[in-house]
Amino acid sequence: GAGVSQSPSNKVTEKGKDVELRCDPISGHTALYWYRQRLGQGLEFLIYFQGNSAPDKSGLPSDRFSAERTGESVSTLTIQRTQQEDSAVYLCASSSPGGEQFFGPGTRLTVL
Amino acid sequence: AQSVTQLGSHVSVSEGALFLLRCNYSSSVPPYLFWYVQYPNQGLQLLLKYTTGATLVKGINGFEAEFKKSETSFHLTKPSAHMSDAAEYFCAVIGGSSNTGKLIFGQGTTLQVKP
Repeated sequence: GAGVSQSPSNKVTEKGKDVELRCDPISGHTALYWYRQRLGQGLEFLIYFQGNSAPDKSGLPSDRFSAERTGESVSTLTIQRTQQEDSAVYLCASSSPGGEQFFGPGTRLTVL
Repeated sequence: AQSVTQLGSHVSVSEGALFLLRCNYSSSVPPYLFWYVQYPNQGLQLLLKYTTGATLVKGINGFEAEFKKSETSFHLTKPSAHMSDAAEYFCAVIGGSSNTGKLIFGQGTTLQVKP
């Protein structure tokens, strides 16, 4: 596709359930980023992938959060045992090395 | 460590008027600075960026920003507001000591344009 895509666009889950969020980056982009945007706040960095390795995981808020990437393609962000404070929009971005980050439309996660 | 502060969470401007959105940064290294716009239910779109060179940066749709090192500022301006400019605006700096390119964002400023 022409841009970064994310699925699902919306996810409502119950507290304690696990969720998986998917990001399809722009083809050829080796760098991939996950950010979280809580209501009324700016974006918080979560994790950075270069290829399929994650040299910077410093933004993951707890061990309930994990992410993986297959080659230089799809990435999945997994949140285990979701809590209400996990409710946010999760944004993915991809870029070529040193290049502009292109953002997807995000996944809006609501934890009831 | 890098950080970004956007003064004013909400700004209201009349259509056709000039507007300015404020951004101040903190950085221990020469910063790369960015302005992004986010329309409802959409991802972020890059308006402009400063890396090196000319301190007055021109972006898309008539937006400009000036890097002022002495003031640690990177304020965004547009000479004439359009209704379509109503959106949320984020200032960001590339952070971290490693070359990851991760962005550190301000809290955002919501721009309202009145007819």
